Amino acid sequence: AQSVAQPEDQVNVAEGNPLTVKCTYSVSGNPYLFWYVQYPNRGLQFLLKYITGDNLVKGSYGFEAEFNKSQTSFHLKKPSALVSDSALYFCAVTLRTGGFKTIFGAGTRLFVKA
Amino acid sequence: DTGVSQDPRHKITKRGQNVTFRCDPISEHNRLYWYRQTLGQGPEFLTYFQNEAQLEKSRLLSDRFSAERPKGSFSTLEIQRTEQGDSAMYLCASSLATESQSYNEQFFGPGTRLTVL
Repeated sequence: AQSVAQPEDQVNVAEGNPLTVKCTYSVSGNPYLFWYVQYPNRGLQFLLKYITGDNLVKGSYGFEAEFNKSQTSFHLKKPSALVSDSALYFCAVTLRTGGFKTIFGAGTRLFVKA
Repeated sequence: DTGVSQDPRHKITKRGQNVTFRCDPISEHNRLYWYRQTLGQGPEFLTYFQNEAQLEKSRLLSDRFSAERPKGSFSTLEIQRTEQGDSAMYLCASSLATESQSYNEQFFGPGTRLTVL
């Protein structure tokens, strides 16, 4: 079965420290990869995407993500966390074949402590 | 606000009733998606449209579920004979696909929260 795994339900980090939110996937082919963020009482918002090219992609709010094809991973990173980064983060993959179905991970809640 | 809008935001219904939700995508977007999200889970893909054509439908979408996008603009999702297990947040998203970029990020609406009693 095709799936996206976010192995950590919650990540806690102190403000100013680097953060990593992990994502691995198991799908056929070479999917498009995305990160979305959900703030309380707000809809899902796009953060960044990997389509092709450089394995390190940069997105909104200082976030970046590293694509690793051999490990089928797409980890989200930020060099210095802010309290305002506290939110729910979703990794998503979109299949390039058989229709543009998108599969989301279960989400990782990030807490940044002041 | 020119984002994706959904109506209603909340719906409470009794088991066995039919419900219909509406989604208005960003006007220039040609793709429209429906998802279902339950507590503690990520959105589950239900179906998507390219313009007015429904191109992909999840096996999660039983015969009680139907979606339309009649003029390639707004879309409706209908659930017939609702069951308690249908209680969830129903999300709509839209995106723009072009010849040079066949896949772009999705813009999500605020969702419709359905409660089936």
